Amino acid sequence: AQSVTQPDARVTVSEGASLQLRCKYSYSATPYLFWYVQYPRQGLQLLLKYYSGDPVVQGVNGFEAEFSKSNSSFHLRKASVHWSDSAVYFCAVTTGNYKYVFGAGTRLKVIA
Amino acid sequence: EAAVTQSPRNKVTVTGGNVTLSCRQTNSHNYMYWYRQDTGHGLRLIHYSYGAGNLQIGDVPDGYKATRTTQEDFFLLLELASPSQTSLYFCASSDAGGYYAEQFFGPGTRLTVL
Repeated sequence: AQSVTQPDARVTVSEGASLQLRCKYSYSATPYLFWYVQYPRQGLQLLLKYYSGDPVVQGVNGFEAEFSKSNSSFHLRKASVHWSDSAVYFCAVTTGNYKYVFGAGTRLKVIA
Repeated sequence: EAAVTQSPRNKVTVTGGNVTLSCRQTNSHNYMYWYRQDTGHGLRLIHYSYGAGNLQIGDVPDGYKATRTTQEDFFLLLELASPSQTSLYFCASSDAGGYYAEQFFGPGTRLTVL
């Protein structure tokens, strides 16, 4: 069965520093890949998505993600984080059957 | 912009109680989903539907029923609530226009079963 692993439950970075949140998936074919963000007391919002083409995909608010087929990974990056980026980030996959599988999430804390 | 609303936002019930969580979307989306969110598990799919009268089983369906009465409305029913069902529940909708569809989420319902 397909699965998504986010190995870091919590990440703390300083404001202005760069960020990488890790995501690894398990599936035999290339899935459709997503990153969502959940701000406090809100539902999830889409940051970016990927299926094919350039392995680096741009999203909202300066986020980007890089797909690696060889590593079965889809890591999220940002060059310079802001305090408002503090949130929980979820990686998700779907394999075309309209069912989505989410990772456990990474809670990001940005400190001054 | 997509709009998914949920009610109630908070609910407390007792073990064995009967609970109905409501979700409405005004996006004309075909697909609707119910998830539960628990620390360490992320979001887990309970049930989903691709149209009025349709129901598909998700990954953690035990103890839950669901009904899609219209394209807009999707209900989650807990007929004999148990403390293990204490969780944050999210409803989402998506267009059927391809597997690449973004999901739009409601604000969530926090359910506590005492």
